[in-house]
Amino acid sequence: ETGVTQSPTHLIKTRGQQVTLRCSSQSGHNTVSWYQQALGQGPQFIFQYYREEENGRGNFPPRFSGLQFPNYSSELNVNALELDDSALYLCASSPDINTEAFFGQGTRLTVV
Amino acid sequence: DQQVKQNSPSLSVQEGRISILNCDYTNSMFDYFLWYKKYPAEGPTFLISISSIKDKNEDGRFTVFLNKSAKHLSLHIVPSQPGDSAVYFCAASPNYGGSQGNLIFGKGTKLSVKP
Repeated sequence: ETGVTQSPTHLIKTRGQQVTLRCSSQSGHNTVSWYQQALGQGPQFIFQYYREEENGRGNFPPRFSGLQFPNYSSELNVNALELDDSALYLCASSPDINTEAFFGQGTRLTVV
Repeated sequence: DQQVKQNSPSLSVQEGRISILNCDYTNSMFDYFLWYKKYPAEGPTFLISISSIKDKNEDGRFTVFLNKSAKHLSLHIVPSQPGDSAVYFCAASPNYGGSQGNLIFGKGTKLSVKP
């Protein structure tokens, strides 16, 4: 039990649609990162938010965007979904930039 | 091109014996390395880490070794227990200071510990 919860746990969307995934961090965690884990691969860094500002981004197109809110929740938005976006999406929160990150259980997104 | 490589997709070990999971990396700028364990339907859980200024770090049954010249690290689990059966991910941080928010992961090694 990491205290990081993600919703929904599973989701099916159609190609071209938009999706919003949510993450609720532990109270006091001001840093959240999002990862994409495709089947058979390790998690791949999408971006990090620190105190509601983007603080680093991996090699993902602009149609992947995020928000972090003052209540320690965050969102990952993906526009114009493609079949290759099908993956497990993980969020990880930490009390600060250089401290241990706690992962949620992930959201399994299937794009058909 | 993969910067963190775990070349063994799976490993099977008898209970009580040593499990050795290996990881190689290509970027000499990596300063901090971590191992995560992942059970099905759960997120990765932090296991142990090592800074590039050390060559060994121990935590109970888990020891991580770092060979910077070879760009290689390994995780030793002694003795292995059936509850250790999981997928183990090696990860590297390009940020000095050990930030765990921007990690580069390997593909994972599935460890099976047989009773």
